[in-house]
Amino acid sequence: EVQLVDSGGDLVQPGGSLRLSCSASGFIFSSSWMSWVRQAPGKGLEWVANIGEDGSEKYYVDSVRGRFTISRDNARKSLYLQMNNLRAEDTAVYYCARPLVLIVNTMYNFYFDIWGRGTLVTVSS
Amino acid sequence: EGVLRQSPVTLSVSPGERATLSCRASQSLGTNVAWYQQKPGQAPRLLIYGASTRATGVSARFSGSGSETEFTLTISGLQSEDFAVYYCQQYNNWPPGTFGQGTKVEIK
Repeated sequence: EVQLVDSGGDLVQPGGSLRLSCSASGFIFSSSWMSWVRQAPGKGLEWVANIGEDGSEKYYVDSVRGRFTISRDNARKSLYLQMNNLRAEDTAVYYCARPLVLIVNTMYNFYFDIWGRGTLVTVSS
Repeated sequence: EGVLRQSPVTLSVSPGERATLSCRASQSLGTNVAWYQQKPGQAPRLLIYGASTRATGVSARFSGSGSETEFTLTISGLQSEDFAVYYCQQYNNWPPGTFGQGTKVEIK
């Protein structure tokens, strides 16, 4: 069965750090780009970060660049998101997802075909 | 920066009827649009990609159409499990992976 299981969400104070994890099964993880997507309470979906198959390519939404780091361990079939200097506006359910990556108009783009169940990150004092 | 506008915000439909959801883009997207279904407390589920191609395992009740700036998701013969929030997403322009704000389909 194709599955992503995300974990690590917690209540953290502003300025604090947290590391999210995602465990994959049922597909060839090492051949797949991977992503984190978030959803603030009662709000829509926002792509956060992508990482290439071997971890050498990484892309971030502007609002988290410099604070969040995406990484992966292909031997463990695991994806991670290290979140530093957290802000209240980072409060959200964070989903691990598999993007299908395309080159469109010479630019890199993607949509998502597999999603984890999500893990809640709350940033509050 | 491209914007996706979904309408209506909420759509009230009786079981068995058809629901028509709209997604409009501020810039041309070709057919690089995906649609997702999200039920309360669950992750989104890919329904449609390429504006009109159903993802694996998706019921034929779901159909997508459109191109350039106007896209439609149609749900025929609504069943109880179809009441959910639906998002469109573009994968044609920068910034990548942009979603619309969602349409909630509720029971009338």
